[in-house]
Amino acid sequence: EAGVAQSPRYKIIEKRQSVAFWCNPISGHATLYWYQQILGQGPKLLIQFQNNGVVDDSQLPKDRFSAERLKGVDSTLKIQPAKLEDSAVYLCASRGQGATEAFFGQGTRLTVV
Amino acid sequence: KNQVEQSPQSLIILEGKNCTLQCNYTVSPFSNLRWYKQDTGRGPVSLTIMTFSENTKSNGRYTATLDADTKQSSLHITASQLSDSASYICVVSTMDTGRRALTFGSGTRLQVQP
Repeated sequence: EAGVAQSPRYKIIEKRQSVAFWCNPISGHATLYWYQQILGQGPKLLIQFQNNGVVDDSQLPKDRFSAERLKGVDSTLKIQPAKLEDSAVYLCASRGQGATEAFFGQGTRLTVV
Repeated sequence: KNQVEQSPQSLIILEGKNCTLQCNYTVSPFSNLRWYKQDTGRGPVSLTIMTFSENTKSNGRYTATLDADTKQSSLHITASQLSDSASYICVVSTMDTGRRALTFGSGTRLQVQP
């Protein structure tokens, strides 16, 4: 079974630029999460999708972050414009219907300079 | 507010030694607790899951305990190996009105030295 795929693995941008991350969850997994993990901290939920609907985006900085999962499969997370404090690893995870375990991708490491 | 606190923040041990990592949570309603291992540059991978009725569960050299009364869990690593060097994250799951939410601890960074 293929795991959660994320791209790119690394990205370096200047502040005020835009960036987009892509995630392809495990096939058939209805729930998809985007997490932000700052160095030395645990992952923080940004947004949770159930199929193509948003379940929880209470911690998403909506003035600069956006995410979509139009067809209920893969998802993109965008930051526009980026700030220095956005430097982090962005993790995507997916979970099957009724399952308790979320599977994580390798993450995208973003550096904003 | 749901919270998961882990201790110690970081730990250095010699290869072959044992260690215990702690997790305290204030999460309600409780569904389950997972310990994840996160290698540097990788996503977290589940080691073990504990449900409300389980006190102890082992996965090779990893043994997790859960005390639902005191809301504490521990992860004990026996005969540590260099490959155990990683961050260990405690994650508590809630199930409320049909929606599952995960609360992450900040992790314990373990370094095993030869």
